[in-house]
Amino acid sequence: GAVVSQHPSWVICKSGTSVKIECRSLDFQATTMFWYRQFPKQSLMLMATSNEGSKATYEQGVEKDKFLINHASLTLSTLTVTSAHPEDSSFYICSAQGQGTYEQYFGPGTRLTVT
Amino acid sequence: AQSVTQPDIHITVSEGASLELRCNYSYGATPYLFWYVQSPGQGLQLLLKYFSGDTLVQGIKGFEAEFKRSQSSFNLRKPSVHWSDAAEYFCAVPNNAGNMLTFGGGTRLMVKP
Repeated sequence: GAVVSQHPSWVICKSGTSVKIECRSLDFQATTMFWYRQFPKQSLMLMATSNEGSKATYEQGVEKDKFLINHASLTLSTLTVTSAHPEDSSFYICSAQGQGTYEQYFGPGTRLTVT
Repeated sequence: AQSVTQPDIHITVSEGASLELRCNYSYGATPYLFWYVQSPGQGLQLLLKYFSGDTLVQGIKGFEAEFKRSQSSFNLRKPSVHWSDAAEYFCAVPNNAGNMLTFGGGTRLMVKP
């Protein structure tokens, strides 16, 4: 149980375009989903927290107009990187949390490369 | 605010040898604690968790961890390491509300044949 999927697993896009990454909880209802960014050989950096049906809460320094998060259902959250630039290239990981629980279950990650 | 420290950035052990990865936390009350493992290019997998009760916690893949309040530690152990255990390991503690995880910096484990 507690499986989280991400799609796509990797994506290459041109500078200036937008990319959407999906995060799905496959076998449980995720009242809260989290989006992280991870640079090579570093720990995870929380970008934003989203609750189903609410606006996402962004961490300090994360541009909400650039990283659009939608949590439209209890099993799906999306992260859209708008007007992507090479510095947005990174590994993006989502996680999902069920109601009343403390564990987060992580997706496999999405490698974004902006050329 | 809570914090988590993993003092060892890299550890190398021989296959079949025992392993201990250190994790120290700073928290006002009895914390919940997690250990996650990340294989290269993958997401994080939950190895084990401590909430309360027995201070020795068993996890998946033969791992265990012991919560020691007096030392503010939650070290991860495995009696005999396999080559497939080579990965990055993260210790984490949630905040009071349970809606945010604070991660340690991670320990990269390398396994020698």
